[in-house]
Amino acid sequence: AQSVTQLGSHVSVSEGALVLLRCNYSSSVPPYLFWYVQYPNQGLQLLLKYTSAATLVKGINGFEAEFKKSETSFHLTKPSAHMSDAAEYFCAVIESGGYNKLIFGAGTRLAVHP
Amino acid sequence: DAGVTQSPTHLIKTRGQQVTLRCSPKSGHDTVSWYQQALGQGPQFIFQYYEEEERQRGNFPDRFSGHQFPNYSSELNVNALLLGDSALYLCASSESWSNQPQHFGDGTRLSIL
Repeated sequence: AQSVTQLGSHVSVSEGALVLLRCNYSSSVPPYLFWYVQYPNQGLQLLLKYTSAATLVKGINGFEAEFKKSETSFHLTKPSAHMSDAAEYFCAVIESGGYNKLIFGAGTRLAVHP
Repeated sequence: DAGVTQSPTHLIKTRGQQVTLRCSPKSGHDTVSWYQQALGQGPQFIFQYYEEEERQRGNFPDRFSGHQFPNYSSELNVNALLLGDSALYLCASSESWSNQPQHFGDGTRLSIL
C-alpha cells in the first residue's frame, strides 16, 4: 500500500529564511504527487503537482518541489519565507489503481516569525 | 467560476443522531470525493462518487453513506453519530478518469456532544 511520510510535524523559520518541508513516499509505480496548503478554518489549496513531466515542479506563491526517485522524496521549498506562508502543509499521493483517491501525510505546521 | 461549496460550515450534534452534509462540485467536475480530517491529522478518504454511484470506498463503517445527484452534487450521511466522528469533513471534486488534482471546499466542521 502506498503511504506518505512528512518529517517534522512543526517547522519554524524566520521571515526571509529558506523553507524546507520534507515528504517521502512509498510507491511501487511512478507516483502522482501533490502538495496542498491549509490555512486556519479553510479547506485545502493546491500548491503544486508532480505528474512525471519534470522533476522540478514550480507552484504558486513561490513554492517549488523536486521529485527524487532515488530518494523517494518530494520535498517542498521556498527561498524566502513570508509571514503569510504560516499554515499547515500536506503532501499527498494518488493511490495507484484507484480513482484519484488521495493518500495524505500527517501534515507539517509551518510557523514564520519576524 | 465557483469552486467547491459545502454546507453547512458548522454543525453540532449529539451522540446517536444522524447528519447530512452537502457539496456542490466545481463547474465542469463530475467526480466527488469525501474526506474526514480529525484534529491535527491529515485528511482520510471516505468514498468517491461518479455517475451517481459509489466508485471507491475507504476504511469507514457503513454508518457513513453518500449520494450523488444528476447535477453532480453530493451528500454525505452519517448515522448513529459517535464522539469520534467529530472532525472537519472535506469535499473534493475533480474530472473523472484522470490524475488531475482534486479541488477542495472549505469543509464542514462537525462537533459531537
